[in-house]
Amino acid sequence: DAGITQSPRYKITETGRQVTLMCHQTWSHSYMFWYRQDLGHGLRLIYYSAAADITDKGEVPDGYVVSRSKTENFPLTLESATRSQTSVYFCASNRAGTSSYEQYFGPGTRLTVT
Amino acid sequence: KNEVEQSPQNLTAQEGEFITINCSYSVGISALHWLQQHPGGGIVSLFMLSSGKKKHGRLIATINIQEKHSSLHITASHPRDSAVYICAVNFGNEKLTFGTGTRLTIIP
Repeated sequence: DAGITQSPRYKITETGRQVTLMCHQTWSHSYMFWYRQDLGHGLRLIYYSAAADITDKGEVPDGYVVSRSKTENFPLTLESATRSQTSVYFCASNRAGTSSYEQYFGPGTRLTVT
Repeated sequence: KNEVEQSPQNLTAQEGEFITINCSYSVGISALHWLQQHPGGGIVSLFMLSSGKKKHGRLIATINIQEKHSSLHITASHPRDSAVYICAVNFGNEKLTFGTGTRLTIIP
């Protein structure tokens, strides 16, 4: 019963490279989210998905691409990594419905772009 | 603009002290969350509430809908309570808007 997992947990990449962060949840939750956490800014929403094949931009989507072909997976791709994308990335999920706002967070991926 | 503000940003206290962290928001909400993050760690949900008060062990969360304000209290604080506490709000949909967090340090 893994819940929500992220991989890799740590990643160092060079400027200009493409990198994909993976997120997997075992609950069949409808909604999935990607956040980045930076000192001074707190957590900010990058992209979210209401269901398979439905995605939408959050507060800071530039430079990122997402897809959701299966309910359980929600990968985040940095098409051409920049130093400003050095951050800790958290994936989260929750069930749809007015009484189901509680989000469950993955353990995070610490990404360093050199 | 939908905003969430937390205070204080940093809080240092002696073990055993009663701790209060505050959160205020700009417009009506569907739910408010208190989250905990230990240094280098993941994010754990402590409470989700839309009215009244909830208690779990030494932690108490309250919300005043009319005043658009919530508080997180810790009684008999302990060094293991040292963490960042984050207030987050649903403004009518599943997306969360976060405060910038309160870094709590409890000194033995």
